[in-house]
Amino acid sequence: DAGITQSPRHKVTETGTPVTLRCHQTENHRYMYWYRQDPGHGLRLIHYSYGVKDTDKGEVSDGYSVSRSKTEDFLLTLESATSSQTSVYFCAISEFRSGELFFGEGSRLTVL
Amino acid sequence: AQKITQTQPGMFVQEKEAVTLDCTYDTSDPSYGLFWYKQPSSGEMIFLIYQGSYDQQNATEGRYSLNFQKARKSANLVISASQLGDSAMYFCAMREGRVETSGSRLTFGEGTQLTVNP
Repeated sequence: DAGITQSPRHKVTETGTPVTLRCHQTENHRYMYWYRQDPGHGLRLIHYSYGVKDTDKGEVSDGYSVSRSKTEDFLLTLESATSSQTSVYFCAISEFRSGELFFGEGSRLTVL
Repeated sequence: AQKITQTQPGMFVQEKEAVTLDCTYDTSDPSYGLFWYKQPSSGEMIFLIYQGSYDQQNATEGRYSLNFQKARKSANLVISASQLGDSAMYFCAMREGRVETSGSRLTFGEGTQLTVNP
């Protein structure tokens, strides 16, 4: 058990509303990541963090912002949700030696 | 160009037989890592096996082995003695660069859906 929890696990929202997904870890890992999973695309990196207040963009960052004010929490925000952001969102932390990612259980977001 | 290519959208295997899931990768970085993950229908991502670019021997973890052919840029997953519980989506992924300096931003393939028949 890698000690990662995501909340909420399921959310349905309407186009144009803000949404925040939370990732909480108990392992004190430096690196944290947000991925989205869509059919035909595998998992794609949205944003990642390499320390408190240190974040950077991934492959599909448009429309998303992140914040990390504490080591244990990494927030993903959709300022104005669109239907194209309907997806399953995974948070992950990485093991230092090999870089293996440990994933949370995922958050399924539906934007109507 | 795709960095990770999994050319088999779906594969079928009989229980107790071995199966190979294909993965090719593209990178110019001499330091990289290759990973395989399993995603059952319940949705969680489960790490299976890791191979570093400088590792001389193929990685093995129980019934899983990674057939690493560096010159061909392939990292195929071999599952021996398939079980019904192996039915799942399998993803190949790559990390470019050293984990100490750049963390572990993985690039994933599109996945292969494996079905194990009784």
